[in-house]
Amino acid sequence: IAGITQAPTSQILAAGRRMTLRCTQDMRHNAMYWYRQDLGLGLRLIHYSNTAGTTGKGEVPDGYSVSRANTDDFPLTLASAVPSQTSVYFCASSEGTGNSIAFFGQGTRLTVV
Amino acid sequence: DAKTTQPTSMDCAEGRAANLPCNHSTISGNEYVYWYRQIHSQGPQYIIHGLKNNETNEMASLIITEDRKSSTLILPHATLRDTAVYYCIVRKYGGATNKLIFGTGTLLAVQP
Repeated sequence: IAGITQAPTSQILAAGRRMTLRCTQDMRHNAMYWYRQDLGLGLRLIHYSNTAGTTGKGEVPDGYSVSRANTDDFPLTLASAVPSQTSVYFCASSEGTGNSIAFFGQGTRLTVV
Repeated sequence: DAKTTQPTSMDCAEGRAANLPCNHSTISGNEYVYWYRQIHSQGPQYIIHGLKNNETNEMASLIITEDRKSSTLILPHATLRDTAVYYCIVRKYGGATNKLIFGTGTLLAVQP
């Protein structure tokens, strides 16, 4: 069982370029999330989706967009990358809302230069 | 969701119990306490959660005070592989979303 797969594992990106981080889960979970992690700041929620076809903004949504066309995939797009978006990005999923447990991917390390 | 306060770091000797505290004095009646951990360079991993009763699973025990304003995660026999950042999170049951808001956690260093 793969769980949550993120791609790429790491990426160096020129500022101003567009980038999509991919996230796929095979657990048929309804809810999915994107977090970024920066040294000293912990994990911060960027966007989330409670179910396919719906999305919502987290703590730090600016500069990012998401879509949830189906249950399995939840891509995160940086339309025009800036150096402050250099971070480690984690995708997560949970069975649903309420008292369910989140499972995380292994992360994507993005460097914007 | 209620805010949590954890020590920045703790040490523990290998083989001994690690007791990680968390304060959540503003917790409300329908909020659960969750614990996750993050081993270096990996994604966070769920450990345990509870509402008001003490809980135990194969990884750890969770002790919640009677007033629910604080809790302690116990790793009964810490190993070097338990070195990680441990996050205490409080969230509502049945909320509109399942989003978890992480703080900065406690870095537990298990010493040989």
